[in-house]
Amino acid sequence: QKEVEQNSGPLSVPEGAIASLNCTYSDRVSQSFFWYRQYSGKSPELIMSIYSNGDKEDGRFTAQLNKASQYVSLLIRDSQPSDSATYLCAVNRDNYGQNFVFGPGTRLSVLP
Amino acid sequence: DVKVTQSSRYLVKRTGEKVFLECVQDMDHENMFWYRQDPGLGLRLIYFSYDVKMKEKGDIPEGYSVSREKKERFSLILESASTNQTSMYLCASSLRLGASYGYTFGSGTRLTVV
Repeated sequence: QKEVEQNSGPLSVPEGAIASLNCTYSDRVSQSFFWYRQYSGKSPELIMSIYSNGDKEDGRFTAQLNKASQYVSLLIRDSQPSDSATYLCAVNRDNYGQNFVFGPGTRLSVLP
Repeated sequence: DVKVTQSSRYLVKRTGEKVFLECVQDMDHENMFWYRQDPGLGLRLIYFSYDVKMKEKGDIPEGYSVSREKKERFSLILESASTNQTSMYLCASSLRLGASYGYTFGSGTRLTVV
């Protein structure tokens, strides 16, 4: 069973701080990794993806990947109350790269 | 923007009924997926399709079937609804095969089976 694990939270950070969300996965052959944000009562929306070891930045978001450690993280700089949501990590599990397994999500709360 | 439209936002059905959940996407995506989302269990894959007429079982296909007669439409069928199928059902699509394409989700159908 290919698994993706995340701390369920809630993770609480003050407004303006850096929020760090972590994800570990069990399948060494996984090639692509995605982060989704899900507001309460809404469907997930894609934030960003990462495929290579290292960092990838997009605005206030930075994804980090370490395939040797089977670890992917999402950093949110200058956190805002509007970032309060559940963040889902998704990892591909087939050779086509389009069948993803999702982690249980980490609930983030940004306190004003 | 790609839109993935699920026909119903809320649905209440009786045990034993045959239930159809419809999903339509408007941007010529090749891949379509059905997930259910339950508290504490996260998103679980029911069925997926990489092409018209093609379907593959996901992690929890029991009690479900799917139909993809047209590229833009992917239907989930609950053959005989049971109370343990009460859940949020999410349809998703992605452009094509390959590692770089993420999902676009529909707004979800919250199904209650009584």
